[in-house]
Amino acid sequence: GAGVSQSPSNKVTEKGKDVELRCDPISGHTALYWYRQSLGQGLEFLIYFQGNSAPDKSGLPSDRFSAERTGGSVSTLTIQRTQQEDSAVYLCASSFPTGLGAFFGQGTRLTVV
Amino acid sequence: DAKTTQPPSMDCAEGRAANLPCNHSTISGNEYVYWYRQIHSQGPQYIIHGLKNNETNEMASLIITEDRKSSTLILPHATLRDTAVYYCIVRNTGGFKTIFGAGTRLFVKA
Repeated sequence: GAGVSQSPSNKVTEKGKDVELRCDPISGHTALYWYRQSLGQGLEFLIYFQGNSAPDKSGLPSDRFSAERTGGSVSTLTIQRTQQEDSAVYLCASSFPTGLGAFFGQGTRLTVV
Repeated sequence: DAKTTQPPSMDCAEGRAANLPCNHSTISGNEYVYWYRQIHSQGPQYIIHGLKNNETNEMASLIITEDRKSSTLILPHATLRDTAVYYCIVRNTGGFKTIFGAGTRLFVKA
């Protein structure tokens, strides 16, 4: 596609429910990154994929968070048993293998009520 | 990846040049300087990057000091639409975990 696509754009969920967020990277970009941004805060790195493998999961805040990527393309970020502190905008970015010039999607705004 | 330091906020008059500074005194030889910006409610947008030479593109110019310990992003003729948070990041090509700090909130005023 022309850019990084994320869905849904907005998600409201009840505390304790599981959610899945999807990222469709730019075609040909093998590197994919997930970040989250709480209201008024900077970006927090979550996880990075090179192809289908995730060499760096150091940013995942708890074991309730997981991510996978299949076919070297689409990635899903899953949050189990959501908590109110999980409310944030979740941003996905992709780039060529060198990592130069990563391009971001518009994010998924997650609200846990 | 090296840490960067930026002022929390800056003002600029519309039509004037906006000069956004960034300190990266611990930068290593293979680390690039990147600039992104984030307009309210949008994902970050790539602006420019450089290694040691000054760079210019259709959006901005990047001036890197000779010792590479600081840089300046220049928006030559700022418009109201340039109001955003500007992030300065240093990273190497093998470093895929881009660390975003708090950035500089630029206010362009009419």
